[in-house]
Amino acid sequence: EVQLVESGGGLVQPGRSLRLSCAASGFIFDDYAMHWVRQAPGKGLEWVSGISWNSGSIAYADSVKGRFNISRDSAKNSLDLHMNSLRTEDMALYYCAKGNGAGVRGVIDYWGQGTLVTVSS
Amino acid sequence: DIQMTQSPSSLSASVGDRVTITCRTSQDISYYLAWYQQKPGRVPKLLIYAASILQSGVPSRFSGSGSGTDFTLTISSLQPEDVATYYCQKYNSALITFGQGTRLEIK
Repeated sequence: EVQLVESGGGLVQPGRSLRLSCAASGFIFDDYAMHWVRQAPGKGLEWVSGISWNSGSIAYADSVKGRFNISRDSAKNSLDLHMNSLRTEDMALYYCAKGNGAGVRGVIDYWGQGTLVTVSS
Repeated sequence: DIQMTQSPSSLSASVGDRVTITCRTSQDISYYLAWYQQKPGRVPKLLIYAASILQSGVPSRFSGSGSGTDFTLTISSLQPEDVATYYCQKYNSALITFGQGTRLEIK
C-alpha cells in the first residue's frame, strides 16, 4: 500500500524558513517522480514543485521559484521541500504526492494527507 | 504561460442527471490533461488521465474527452457520492497547472 506521510508544518513568521518532509513507502521510490501540491483554506489546488525519479529534472511554480527548493533522498525514501522567505500567501495545506511515471511531466496517482503551514506574525 | 479555464465554477444537478464540466487551455496541450475529484475533507483522487483514460477503480459513469485546447469531463448518471470539487490538470510540460475547480452539488 502506498503511503505518503508529511511532516514539518507549523506556524512561521513572514520572511522565515521552514522545511517540509515526506516519508514514502509501499512503492519503489526511485522509479517515480514526486511533487508538492498546496491548497489554501477553502481554495483550489496549486502545484508547487516536482522532481523526477533521479533528481535530473526539477520544476517550480512561478509563485515559489527562487524561494523554495525540492529534493529527494533515495536512501531514506524521503522528499523534502525547503521553503525560504515565506509569505502570508504561502499559507496552505501542503500535500506530498507521487507521480505516475518517472518524469515530472505527468499526473499524480497518490496523495498524502497534508501538513499545514501557517504564515503569520 | 498556458492559461486554464474551467467551467462552470459550480453547478447543481439531480441524481441521475448527465453532468458535463469543461476545461479549456490557451494553447494546444494535445491529450496531456487529467481530471481529479476532491470530496469534502478528503485528498484529491485521480479520475482520468491522457484526456480520456479512466484510472483503475473509477466507476464507468465517469468519462473524459477532448484534445488540443478543449476538454470535457462527463458523469453519465450523477450519484449522491459524486458530490465533490473537480479539477482539471495539464501536464504537457514540467510546469503542471490545475484548473480553478468546479464544485458539484446535488439539487
